Amino acid sequence: DTGVSQDPRHKITKRGQNVTFRCDPISEHNRLYWYRQTLGQGPEFLTYFQNEAQLEKSRLLSDRFSAERPKGSFSTLEIQRTEQGDSAMYLCASSSSGGSLETQYFGPGTRLLVL
Amino acid sequence: GDSVTQMEGPVTLSEEAFLTINCTYTATGYPSLFWYVQYPGEGLQLLLKATKADDKGSNKGFEATYRKETTSFHLEKGSVQVSDSAVYFCALSDSGGSYIPTFGRGTSLIVHP
Repeated sequence: DTGVSQDPRHKITKRGQNVTFRCDPISEHNRLYWYRQTLGQGPEFLTYFQNEAQLEKSRLLSDRFSAERPKGSFSTLEIQRTEQGDSAMYLCASSSSGGSLETQYFGPGTRLLVL
Repeated sequence: GDSVTQMEGPVTLSEEAFLTINCTYTATGYPSLFWYVQYPGEGLQLLLKATKADDKGSNKGFEATYRKETTSFHLEKGSVQVSDSAVYFCALSDSGGSYIPTFGRGTSLIVHP
């Protein structure tokens, strides 16, 4: 069990560019969550998957945000046409219905800076 | 909607002092309650949880009791160490099956030797 990993750990981009982040959950965890965390705030839920199905996406921040989990393993979060207000830490977490679904294991995050 | 309110930080203590970080919540139904900790440069880690009223969660010397009558889940530790310096987040999880958590803003704890 290597924990939740995220790649890249840091990303600097120019306004208007597209960015994609990857999350690898703990193996065999069937739930995967994405969050955004801005300075001085707690994580803000964005979306989650159970296996490959995206069960909640109404809280994605805008239609520029999208997420996929095509094979029920790793997931990607894409932000199109980035804006300076997208600068934040993007967190991924996973959990297992074989254990406690409430207990989420978080990755280290991807810090995005939009110039 | 659901919400969590934490005391503002930073909380600054000397080593071996007693710690309390207040957390109150607003929720429909019967949520589970959590404390997460974020050490500098690391991801969030679950510290403890309680799933029903009057449950006490405990871990690493930290404790919190689920108080339904006061809608509170205050975090306590009898004797803090420098290594406890971190940001602490209180959270609740809905009971509807999605387990989507709502987090508080976090409370920074700084422990001096």
